[in-house]
Amino acid sequence: GENVEQHPSTLSVQEGDSAVIKCTYSDSASNYFPWYKQELGKGPQLIIDIRSNVGEKKDQRIAVTLNKTAKHFSLHITETQPEDSAVYFCAASRRAGGTSYGKLTFGQGTILTVHP
Amino acid sequence: SAVISQKPSRDICQRGTSLTIQCQVDSQVTMMFWYRQQPGQSLTLIATANQGSEATYESGFVIDKFPISRPNLTFSTLTVSNMSPEDSSIYLCSVEGPNTGMWGETQYFGPGTRLLVL
Repeated sequence: GENVEQHPSTLSVQEGDSAVIKCTYSDSASNYFPWYKQELGKGPQLIIDIRSNVGEKKDQRIAVTLNKTAKHFSLHITETQPEDSAVYFCAASRRAGGTSYGKLTFGQGTILTVHP
Repeated sequence: SAVISQKPSRDICQRGTSLTIQCQVDSQVTMMFWYRQQPGQSLTLIATANQGSEATYESGFVIDKFPISRPNLTFSTLTVSNMSPEDSSIYLCSVEGPNTGMWGETQYFGPGTRLLVL
């Protein structure tokens, strides 16, 4: 089955700095890669996702890059703010054409702390 | 995205008892899932809740321990049976909408149920 490795496990940055979280996956057939942000006491919230037919996607201060050859994808947060402090999870799944279900396999999570 | 609610939001239970967790979605969805998140850990899929049929369980999870119901397209329950302290976790419901093309829709999570077993 799929295995997703996520690094680092903790990341501490100063407000305004950039943060990068990296994930690798094992199943070359995986083609959908979402990122979730989980704040204390809440469920995971989707912040961005990328599909295997593109190499990069950006949404304001958040971007995700995908390298299919190396089987890794990364989350980039620019101009970090204290409210970005949370646990971030990457995930991978395989989606067949025409069907919506693909089991999500999650990375271990990264605790991001942004210091004012 | 769908609005997902879970009940209860948290509970403290005695070992040997059972707890049923409810997941309600504000719109009809194709897929509903149940995950477990042990303290400080990542998310692990327990099962896929199938509407009108038996749930599909992942390796390491069995129906006798985690019976699941899904009577319609907006509601599902997960029961944690014969609980032990090792069952103390956050239990999360997630949903995936109707297929809207090749890629379908992604999974959205409920707020979770925080369970402590003494």
